[in-house]
Amino acid sequence: DQQVKQNSPSLSVQEGRISILNCDYTNSMFDYFLWYKKYPAEGPTFLISISSIKDKNEDGRFTVFLNKSAKHLSLHIVPSQPGDSAVYFCAVQAYNFNKFYFGSGTKLNVKP
Amino acid sequence: DAMVIQNPRYQVTQFGKPVTLSCSQTLNHNVMYWYQQKSSQAPKLLFHYYDKDFNNEADTPDNFQSRRPNTSFCFLDIRSPGLGDAAMYLCATSRAGGAYNEQFFGPGTRLTVL
Repeated sequence: DQQVKQNSPSLSVQEGRISILNCDYTNSMFDYFLWYKKYPAEGPTFLISISSIKDKNEDGRFTVFLNKSAKHLSLHIVPSQPGDSAVYFCAVQAYNFNKFYFGSGTKLNVKP
Repeated sequence: DAMVIQNPRYQVTQFGKPVTLSCSQTLNHNVMYWYQQKSSQAPKLLFHYYDKDFNNEADTPDNFQSRRPNTSFCFLDIRSPGLGDAAMYLCATSRAGGAYNEQFFGPGTRLTVL
């Protein structure tokens, strides 16, 4: 039973344009949402997060949007750079629970 | 630099031959996790420790065991590896619940079963 879905296995974007990665979750008990970035032969690294009391969080070129009613979050990267090419995982957590549920990832390719 | 270390990075074992994967951390985090990740799939949580308290996932096969002898180290034991156990195994840590905390991952161990 998949708690988190990333329906786009891959995305290709031109350098300088916006990348939008999407994630859907099933359970309204989740109230903390994270994005991780993974390069080949490395473990995932934390990128940005948002709690359910917000609908937007920005960190430089990265912005995460949360739509609680739709159980949907998205990651915007503007402008996209070739170094952003990686697999992006979304993850969700319920407050005070030590478990995280991950999506299957979206492979982003930013073309120079 | 505080980090999560996994050894070995690549492990080859034979069908049915026990194998142990190692994880250590210098972050002094309470919680340590083991995930199994197969190609193009989500990392699947096998179990986690909150301090010495072991938490097994309901669908984790009995073939998978774990030990955490101290805060810094955690081991994944696969008692009788099958071909279906070939995967990337990721170790992660986080501070305890009660607040929102991200996980820190090691680089993973790629397990091959012959």
